[in-house]
Amino acid sequence: QVQLVESGGGLVKPGGSLRLSCAASGFTFSDYYMSWIRQAPGKGLEWVSFISTRSSYTTYVDSVRGRFTISRDDAKNSLFLQMNSLGVEDTAVYYCARGTREPSDWGQGALVTVSS
Amino acid sequence: DVVMTQSPLSLPVTLGQPASISCKSSQSLVYSDGNTYLNWFQQRPGQSPRRLIYKISNRDSGVPDRFSGSGSGTDFTLKISRVEAEDVGVYYCMQGTHWPPYTFGQGTKLEIK
Repeated sequence: QVQLVESGGGLVKPGGSLRLSCAASGFTFSDYYMSWIRQAPGKGLEWVSFISTRSSYTTYVDSVRGRFTISRDDAKNSLFLQMNSLGVEDTAVYYCARGTREPSDWGQGALVTVSS
Repeated sequence: DVVMTQSPLSLPVTLGQPASISCKSSQSLVYSDGNTYLNWFQQRPGQSPRRLIYKISNRDSGVPDRFSGSGSGTDFTLKISRVEAEDVGVYYCMQGTHWPPYTFGQGTKLEIK
């Protein structure tokens, strides 16, 4: 069965950096676009970024463009999100998801807390 | 950005009774390939979102047939024919037609009356 397991979350000060990872199993990772979606505490869902197969295309929501970088390692079935210049508004649970237009499977999420 | 507007935002329902959630988009969700990328997700308390419905009305594997999706263009509906206790949670519609960005509705909190 499909499994997505995020890691790398934690507490970071404003202006700091964090790198999230998502380990995928149960499907051919290299065949799928992958996404990051976040949810601020007690709030709704917000798309962050997605990456195409073979890493040929990446895209971001305006609020993170220039600060976040999505990447993947198909040999290790892993998805990453490098987050720089973090602000309090980036505090959220970050989910990795399989697919883009119709994200079919989600991980359990990684909590990122940005606070001084 | 395409705005997805759900109603109601709170939905108290008696066990065994039907429930309906509306989702309206600010633009047509018909994509150039002819498909309409409208999804429904369920988020139970303390859990990750789970996809229930994709392309308006296609139920995911393992989703009970009491859940159904309908609609077209800009107006969509998720219906639960008979609410069960395990259906408690927040329901989100999401459009995957227009990027950037793909967008979600605000969420509808279903609770048992």
